[in-house]
Amino acid sequence: NAGVTQTPKFRVLKTGQSMTLLCAQDMNHEYMYWYRQDPGMGLRLIHYSVGEGTTAKGEVPDGYNVSRLKKQNFLLGLESAAPSQTSVYFCASSYSMGQGATNYGYTFGSGTRLTVV
Amino acid sequence: ILNVEQSPQSLHVQEGDSTNFTCSFPSSNFYALHWYRWETAKSPEALFVMTLNGDEKKKGRISATLNTKEGYSYLYIKGSQPEDSATYLCAFQSNAGNMLTFGGGTRLMVKP
Repeated sequence: NAGVTQTPKFRVLKTGQSMTLLCAQDMNHEYMYWYRQDPGMGLRLIHYSVGEGTTAKGEVPDGYNVSRLKKQNFLLGLESAAPSQTSVYFCASSYSMGQGATNYGYTFGSGTRLTVV
Repeated sequence: ILNVEQSPQSLHVQEGDSTNFTCSFPSSNFYALHWYRWETAKSPEALFVMTLNGDEKKKGRISATLNTKEGYSYLYIKGSQPEDSATYLCAFQSNAGNMLTFGGGTRLMVKP
């Protein structure tokens, strides 16, 4: 039972380089999320998806793009990395937590530590 | 931007001590309040999801209470053990959807 898997676990980028972070879940969750975690800031939502083929902006979307071509995968892209994007990135997934649905909360991946120099 | 605050930011206790910390959140548009336990180098794990005012949930030595009218939740740990050392996150879920707004966390360190 893998749950939510993030790759890579660590990465160092030079300013201006691009990269894609991959998140894969095997729980048939409809919803997927990308968060970043910075010291003193807590987890902040970058983008999220409510189903295959859909994406939406979160609290801090600038400088990132996402795609959800398959239900089990949610990709986070950095087109031109900046030092301000140095952070730990967490992917999470969940069932719909609306009225009448049992609310299990989120399942998180183990994080990707990204450093932009 | 919703305001979810946790206090204290960090806490050092001795093994065997009981402790508690606070999460405050908006009292309007409330749907659920989540608690997560986050050990260093691991991913956050769900502890409780609470939806009803006055609700109390318990898991072993850890329990949580909820007051949605005044917008706060307490997490209690009875007889802290070194393995309880972790960051405890709360997260507010509004009735607008699935998205969670997280507090900054309380980092608990239990000394043997």
